[in-house]
Amino acid sequence: GAGVSQSPSNKVTEKGKDVELRCDPISGHTALYWYRQRLGQGLEFLIYFQGNSAPDKSGLPSDRFSAERTGESVSTLTIQRTQQEDSAVYLCASTNRGMNTEAFFGQGTRLTVV
Amino acid sequence: KQEVTQIPAALSVPEGENLVLNCSFTDSAIYNLQWFRQDPGKGLTSLLLIQSSQREQTSGRLNASLDKSSGRSTLYIAASQPGDSATYLCAVRPRRYGGATNKLIFGTGTLLAVQP
Repeated sequence: GAGVSQSPSNKVTEKGKDVELRCDPISGHTALYWYRQRLGQGLEFLIYFQGNSAPDKSGLPSDRFSAERTGESVSTLTIQRTQQEDSAVYLCASTNRGMNTEAFFGQGTRLTVV
Repeated sequence: KQEVTQIPAALSVPEGENLVLNCSFTDSAIYNLQWFRQDPGKGLTSLLLIQSSQREQTSGRLNASLDKSSGRSTLYIAASQPGDSATYLCAVRPRRYGGATNKLIFGTGTLLAVQP
């Protein structure tokens, strides 16, 4: 596609429910990142996928958070038993192969836990 | 541990003024540095990418410089316009991070308001 696509753009869920957030990277991009941005705060790294290598999950805040990616395509971020502190904008980015490449971000999913 | 700082945190200028945004990082071992803008409630839009071997990059009214040895980058915006109002973020890609990945490390941003 022309850019990184995230869905849904907005999600309101009740505390305790599970949610799934989706990211479609730019076609051909091998690396994919998930970040979280709480209101008024900076970007917090969650997880990184690079091709078929083992993902870097070092930023996931708890075992309620998980992410999957099939090959070099779509990624899904799942939050189980959501809490109010999970309310944030979840941003996805993708980059082409190699370290000296530009990162492109999607528009984000705004998650509100009520 | 790589840390990225942006100064000032907020800036308000009249339309037409030239301005400079600053980004500092603590570890010079980076692959590149990227500048983004973020509009309220939106994702990030890439502005400029500077490789570690480069000194500057230009795109239209934007010019970004990189002094890797001193851990600094500046984003220069010429003839600012109200449409430039946004939060500006810089991010570095570390050359090594825990030996496992090369994630982007972000600064906390500069909120720019250009007054008409």
